Amino acid sequence: EVQLVESGGGLVQPGGSLRLSCAASGFNFTNYWMHWVRQAPGKGLVWVSRIDSAGKSTSYADSVKGRFTISRDNAKNTLYLQMNGLRAEDSALYYCARYNIGHHAVDYWGRGTLVTVSS
Amino acid sequence: DIVMTQSPDSLAVSLGERATINCKSSQSILYSSNNKDYLAWYQQKPGQPPKLLIYWASTRESGVPDRFSGSGSGTDFSLTISSLQADDVAVYYCQQYFTTPLTFGGGTKVEIK
Repeated sequence: EVQLVESGGGLVQPGGSLRLSCAASGFNFTNYWMHWVRQAPGKGLVWVSRIDSAGKSTSYADSVKGRFTISRDNAKNTLYLQMNGLRAEDSALYYCARYNIGHHAVDYWGRGTLVTVSS
Repeated sequence: DIVMTQSPDSLAVSLGERATINCKSSQSILYSSNNKDYLAWYQQKPGQPPKLLIYWASTRESGVPDRFSGSGSGTDFSLTISSLQADDVAVYYCQQYFTTPLTFGGGTKVEIK
């Protein structure tokens, strides 16, 4: 069974940093591109970032470019999102999600980890 | 960026009746090399992550009931629930994965009338 379990969220002051993790199991993590998607309370889904299977190619939403860094450790089956310079508008539930090799849509999502940026 | 526009914002349908959600992309998301539209539909129930229903605009994900169907091509798409069940109460999102940034529609809340 495919499982994605996020962790690392919490309350942080504006300008602070957090590192989110996503532990993957039930599939060959090494073969899959991965994404981070966020959802502010009561709002819609917003794509944040993606990384290729080798960790060599990354892409970011303009709103987080230069502040967030996506990475992965294939030996540990873990995806990361380093978030620096956090702003109030970054407050959201952060989901990690798997990109399906065959049809290219995002097919599995974790349950998310909540990030709250507030003084 | 490709803008995805969903309509309506909310929809109340009687049990057993048809529900249709529309989604329009600001540019074509048809990939010419394989003639596939890079459009997905997701269902999100309260307190849960999104669940993939449809990919390539019209292909049902494994395990998704056949009352869910997707149609359309190019820039105009629809998700239809042929006979609404109580379990279908949720917010539905369309998403293009033709290019990054991946972009989602604003969501359509489906309720029972």
